[in-house]
Amino acid sequence: DQQVKQNSPSLSVQEGRISILNCDYTNSMFDYFLWYKKYPAEGPTFLISISSIKDKNEDGRFTVFLNKSAKHLSLHIVPSQPGDSAVYFCAGPGADSGGGADGLTFGKGTHLIIQP
Amino acid sequence: ETGVTQSPTHLIKTRGQQVTLRCSSQSGHNTVSWYQQALGQGPQFIFQYYREEENGRGNFPPRFSGLQFPNYSSELNVNALELDDSALYLCASSLELAGGETQYFGPGTRLLVL
Repeated sequence: DQQVKQNSPSLSVQEGRISILNCDYTNSMFDYFLWYKKYPAEGPTFLISISSIKDKNEDGRFTVFLNKSAKHLSLHIVPSQPGDSAVYFCAGPGADSGGGADGLTFGKGTHLIIQP
Repeated sequence: ETGVTQSPTHLIKTRGQQVTLRCSSQSGHNTVSWYQQALGQGPQFIFQYYREEENGRGNFPPRFSGLQFPNYSSELNVNALELDDSALYLCASSLELAGGETQYFGPGTRLLVL
């Protein structure tokens, strides 16, 4: 059972506009979340994180919003640039197996395409 | 500061064979985690090593095993390879075992099982 869900496999946004990537989670015990960005033939690169005690975290063009009551988080990229074209993964703590390990649980990713 | 490195970058094996993948953690990081990423999926947690001990494990069979060495580098071994083992294998390192520490990924090893 997927504990972290990214329901949009792809998203196309015009350069200069805002990109909004969404993520839902089922485990209310999750106390932090991370966003990773992945280019083809590279490993995921850490982008931004948020603790569950906050509802917003900002870093330059990237802002993550957390809505705990809805178990939903979103990543906003403003303004979107061509180099932002990549697959974005949302991740929470703990493995799907619930074994208490400190591995991350990832969504399936959203492929963001920035159009010129 | 050296990032996470993995070797080899690509590998082709046949069903039933065994494979060893290698990972060097980022300088100063003592925790290494391994993930499997199948096509169109997010990375799936295999297991984690902290100070040479397996700290936790995801939903993978015992034929997936690992080691961590005193310099914190790590190996992932897969025995009796199956076609479904074809995937990108990612190694990630972090500073400490405590939850919330950001994990930094290597470029991955792409394994193809024929």
